[in-house]
Amino acid sequence: ILNVEQSPQSLHVQEGDSTNFTCSFPSSNFYALHWYRWETAKSPEALFVMTLNGDEKKKGRISATLNTKEGYSYLYIKGSQPEDSATYLCARSGSARQLTFGSGTQLTVLP
Amino acid sequence: EAGVTQFPSHSVIEKGQTVTLRCDPISGHDNLYWYRRVMGKEIKFLLHFVKESKQDESGMPNNRFLAERTGGTYSTLKVQPAELEDSGVYFCASSLAWASTDTQYFGPGTRLTVL
Repeated sequence: ILNVEQSPQSLHVQEGDSTNFTCSFPSSNFYALHWYRWETAKSPEALFVMTLNGDEKKKGRISATLNTKEGYSYLYIKGSQPEDSATYLCARSGSARQLTFGSGTQLTVLP
Repeated sequence: EAGVTQFPSHSVIEKGQTVTLRCDPISGHDNLYWYRRVMGKEIKFLLHFVKESKQDESGMPNNRFLAERTGGTYSTLKVQPAELEDSGVYFCASSLAWASTDTQYFGPGTRLTVL
């Protein structure tokens, strides 16, 4: 994998459903994996920064895992609510401090 | 604590005109980054300041783009002359430390439309 890839591109779920999406990234020269939540016209909100293989982080109903050896991270949302509707972005940082973003997963939670 | 702010929120200009975007980072953050999202594609890095110095400008697309950060506080990004393909959302981010593991805090972006 040369770039950061996210799947699926978009997702519709019913309120109360749990869901997850994937971020795949180059495992070489890996320093950190960043997850953001972005609503259009607002600032992307930082959710997690993950660095260690096997890392798992949690913030309320949202959690994320990291596998640096195979180059992927999963983001989970438990009991989705309409306010969770947003685009979820992952970004990888290497020895350069810049973030390399995936194209995002657009989540819509239907009431 | 105030977050990263950007001005203007929207700008509509004609091809060939000049536009200047401004970013005010979180107070005390020495690291300031510019990114842009063009045509619904992924957000891409433009450049990185540490205080007033350009640390990395490898993402700047061409010499029509000029970024400055006088005094190491706010930053401006000037596009002169603007072209149609410059349309997109320009984000600014700041971080406290100069580490790949440090969180970058983003502003809401400036939506630039070049007609």
